[in-house]
Order: sequence, then structure tokens, then C-alpha cells
Amino acid sequence: GAVVSQHPSWVICKSGTSVKIECRSLDFQATTMFWYRQFPKQSLMLMATSNEGSKATYEQGVEKDKFLINHASLTLSTLTVTSAHPEDSSFYICSARDLGTRHQPQHFGDGTRLSIL
Amino acid sequence: SQQGEEDPQALSIQEGENATMNCSYKTSINNLQWYRQNSGRGLVHLILIRSNEREKHSGRLRVTLDTSKKSSSLLITASRAADTASYFCATDRPMDTGRRALTFGSGTRLQVQP
Repeated sequence: GAVVSQHPSWVICKSGTSVKIECRSLDFQATTMFWYRQFPKQSLMLMATSNEGSKATYEQGVEKDKFLINHASLTLSTLTVTSAHPEDSSFYICSARDLGTRHQPQHFGDGTRLSIL
Repeated sequence: SQQGEEDPQALSIQEGENATMNCSYKTSINNLQWYRQNSGRGLVHLILIRSNEREKHSGRLRVTLDTSKKSSSLLITASRAADTASYFCATDRPMDTGRRALTFGSGTRLQVQP
């Protein structure tokens, strides 16, 4: 079945560091990928929609300059948390939908746990 | 953004019992989906029910949808310890770009005691 690979799975770094998270669709193409943030024991909140070949669409309240998204190919989207601070510590999850399956389920990566010291 | 509500927030049952989780949403939908999340992991799709369907089965899972009440339920029969996880409902919503994004409910944390 369709697989989405997310890397790294765990990051611990100092405050002020920029962290890049990769999301790859391994056996399908995705013009759209989604980035979510999840705090402990809470639901997933959509941060932004990554569009291949164009600018990402950010949800209200999400800082574009803080969370840089690049979707350079049909199988790769990256999220860079710039100058990360402790309040950015969270679980970040990406998902992708197979081309031509508009009303079909999304496939999720296994998430990246980001801890900023 | 709109967000569905799920109840209960947490549920603890014994192995072999049935578990029922409910979800309510606010807008009209094309479909409603249920996902499972093991602790610290990504989401796994369980089942999708379309707006013109009222009930759907998949193995030990049974999903109902009542569009007039904007609610859905997920029933897991004969639960197992391995069913311990968080369960989320999700609805598709249109975005300004013409694409669609998922809006997740608040989730139910299910604990199945062996």
C-alpha cells in the first residue's frame, strides 16, 4: 500500500537552531501534502498545505516565516522550523494524498517529535 | 478552522467488550473518515463512509453516519489489547485553493485492559 516516509523521527536541539523535516511519498505522486502539529493528548491541527510547484497555503495563525515549506517535487515536501524555540516543541506529522484520488484517504507519515532545549 | 468533537475523550474497557466512540461535526461533508493513532506514531486510516451511506463495516469495525444530526459513531467489537490507541474522526473540507483538507475531531483515547 501507499507509504509516506517522514524523517527524522526525533530531533532534540538547542534554542535558535533551524530544523528541517522531510516528507516523502514512496510509491505514489502527490501534488499536495499536508503538515500538522499535535500537542500531547490533543488532536491534529493543520498548519499548512504544501503545493508542488507553488507557494504553500498556511492556516490562520501559522507564521509563514517561522515554518518554511518547500514542495520541490511530486514526492517530497519539507518543513523547516526556523530559529526554533521551546514553544515550538511538538509532534509534527505530514500526510499526502495520491494523485487522482480526490476523495480517498490521506496517507500519514510516522511523525517527527521535535524537542527544543 | 472547524473542529469536530468526539466523546468520550477517554474510554477504558476490558478485552472482549465492545467500544463505541462518537463524533460530531459542523458543516456538510462529502465523507467522514476514522483514523487510529498509536502513541507517538502517525495516523492509520481505518474506514471511510460517504455522505450517502448510513452504515459501513470493516472486520470488527462498524461505522454509522447520521448527516441530519451531523454525527458518526465507530464501534469496535470484541476488543483486544492491541486496539489500545487514540481514534480520530475527520471530515474533508474545501479550501480556498480548490483543494481539500482534513479537519480532525478531538479524539478518543481507548484503553483495552487484557
